[in-house]
Amino acid sequence: GESVGLHLPTLSVQEGDNSIINCAYSNSASDYFIWYKQESGKGPQFIIDIRSNMDKRQGQRVTVLLNKTVKHLSLQIAATQPGDSAVYFCAAPLVGQGNLIFGKGTKLSVKP
Amino acid sequence: GAGVSQSPRYKVAKRGQDVALRCDPISGHVSLFWYQQALGQGPEFLTYFQNEAQLDKSGLPSDRFFAERPEGSVSTLKIQRTQQEDSAVYLCASSLLGRQGARLFLYNEQFFGPGTRLTVL
Repeated sequence: GESVGLHLPTLSVQEGDNSIINCAYSNSASDYFIWYKQESGKGPQFIIDIRSNMDKRQGQRVTVLLNKTVKHLSLQIAATQPGDSAVYFCAAPLVGQGNLIFGKGTKLSVKP
Repeated sequence: GAGVSQSPRYKVAKRGQDVALRCDPISGHVSLFWYQQALGQGPEFLTYFQNEAQLDKSGLPSDRFFAERPEGSVSTLKIQRTQQEDSAVYLCASSLLGRQGARLFLYNEQFFGPGTRLTVL
């Protein structure tokens, strides 16, 4: 079946450094991807999305890169702050449906 | 504005007990989803409503799980005869749009509630 997965379960960075969180997906027909941030005790919060007709999309301090050739996407966080500490999920709608398929998540820890 | 709310936030149940989890979606949102999130995992789809119609229940793990949305707004997820493996966070999400033909609108942000943490002893 379809899968969306992250490469690393944990990532520790120094405050002020850039963070890169990676994700791979299995279905080449997937055409929409979303990054969510989940803080402890809260539901997932939308960060940024990207459609398959784009290779890159930028938000405030975040950039998502999509490489359809290798079915890989990444989330880059610039100047990582303590408030960025959370679990980050990539997700994609199940092709032909709408419910989201989530990866397992990467826990980002920011060291002061 | 108000987001998606869920109640209770925490529920402890004895094995065999029935529980009911409530979701209040964002007003006017057509689509409502339930997800189950085990510890250390990503959310997994349970069921989908478009207004009051339950269009997809393929993710419900057993016939002990039942969901309803009778008036197309508030939804309740009921779990009968709870088991320890039911312990998880249950997330509700809503989105503005519904299906166009056979497909849900893809570019249709899902807004998540805070979840209900269910612990079955």
